[in-house]
Amino acid sequence: QQKVQQSPESLIVPEGGMASLNCTSSDRNVDYFWWYRQHSGKSPKMLMSIFSNGEKEEGRFTVHLNKASLHTSLHIRDSQPSDSALYLCAASMRNGGNYKPTFGKGTSLVVHP
Amino acid sequence: EAAVTQSPRSKVAVTGGKVTLSCHQTNNHDYMYWYRQDTGHGLRLIHYSYVADSTEKGDIPDGYKASRPSQENFSLILELASLSQTAVYFCASSGRDWGSETLYFGSGTRLTVL
Repeated sequence: QQKVQQSPESLIVPEGGMASLNCTSSDRNVDYFWWYRQHSGKSPKMLMSIFSNGEKEEGRFTVHLNKASLHTSLHIRDSQPSDSALYLCAASMRNGGNYKPTFGKGTSLVVHP
Repeated sequence: EAAVTQSPRSKVAVTGGKVTLSCHQTNNHDYMYWYRQDTGHGLRLIHYSYVADSTEKGDIPDGYKASRPSQENFSLILELASLSQTAVYFCASSGRDWGSETLYFGSGTRLTVL
């Protein structure tokens, strides 16, 4: 059973549009979330991380976290064709400084010109 | 930029053969991980290590062994390769301290078992 669920599985948005991706953990011990982006044929690279309730913004990317529901979302505004990629959500407990990030299956985003 | 190097980049193995995937990091990171990626499954954790000479089982360890002889090196061993182990394998490293948890991935090894 996948402990990290992502939705939707795939998403198509027009260039300049808003993309919204969701992620929920079923493990109540987790307290840290990451969003990684993986372009086709490449390795994943960290996009944003969050561990506090609320919102964090970096450029066109905004991430939200609700720790009570263990739900995080990633929003990409003014989407560009270069944003087309697989977006992976990861979650981990950080107890005692040891952690092992668990990933979801990912959301495949296509931004069409 | 943190550096994680995997070898080989790709490999074709025969069923029942032994396969060793190698990973080397120059980030001075304590933590290292092996993930496999299959279409539709995201990344699944096979083995990980917090310190040299010690490894831990991840979520899908069956059929795999791991070895961490030094802080820099982490190997994944398939003693008897099977068709179901055809996948892309990623090694990653991360720091131990708060704020250094980002995983840095290698370029991956594409393994095909025939």
